[in-house]
Amino acid sequence: GAVVSQHPSWVICKSGTSVKIECRSLDFQATTMFWYRQFPKQSLMLMATSNEGSKATYEQGVEKDKFLINHASLTLSTLTVTSAHPEDSSFYICSASSGGTYEQYFGPGTRLTVT
Amino acid sequence: QKEVEQNSGPLSVPEGAIASLNCTYSDRVSQSFFWYRQYSGKSPELIMSIYSNGDKEDGRFTAQLNKASQYVSLLIRDSQPSDSATYLCAAHPGGGADGLTFGKGTHLIIQP
Repeated sequence: GAVVSQHPSWVICKSGTSVKIECRSLDFQATTMFWYRQFPKQSLMLMATSNEGSKATYEQGVEKDKFLINHASLTLSTLTVTSAHPEDSSFYICSASSGGTYEQYFGPGTRLTVT
Repeated sequence: QKEVEQNSGPLSVPEGAIASLNCTYSDRVSQSFFWYRQYSGKSPELIMSIYSNGDKEDGRFTAQLNKASQYVSLLIRDSQPSDSATYLCAAHPGGGADGLTFGKGTHLIIQP
């Protein structure tokens, strides 16, 4: 149980374009979903927290107009990187929690390369 | 600021030995603690959760919690080369927060 999927697993896009990443909880209802970014050999950085049907809460320093998060249902959250630039190239990982025990289950991640 | 501290390592342990990973946390109200394993280039995987003082065993893994000392540890018995990874400690900070506070991780190397 507790499986989280992400799509796509990797994406290459040109500078200035937008990219959407989907995160789905496959076998449980995720009341809360989290989006992280991880640069090579660095630790996880929480970008934002989203609850179903509510606006996402962004961490300090994360541009909410650049990283659009939508949590439309209890099984789906999306992250859209708008007007992507090479410095946005990173490993984006979502996680989901059903809330009861605070355990977070991570998706496999999406590797974004902006050229 | 609520923090979770880990030694970044690398921690090198010979194959077959016990690997001991440690973590301290600053927020006394934290009640839930988790250990994640992250292989290079992959996302974290939950391996243990612990909520009460004492030990919790699952296969070769034992998590230990001491709330008075604000200390959490993970023991890996009969270490295998496949255990080589970064281990992340996480705490739920309480107070109605949604998410976990993660440490920066300890890089574990099991030497064949």
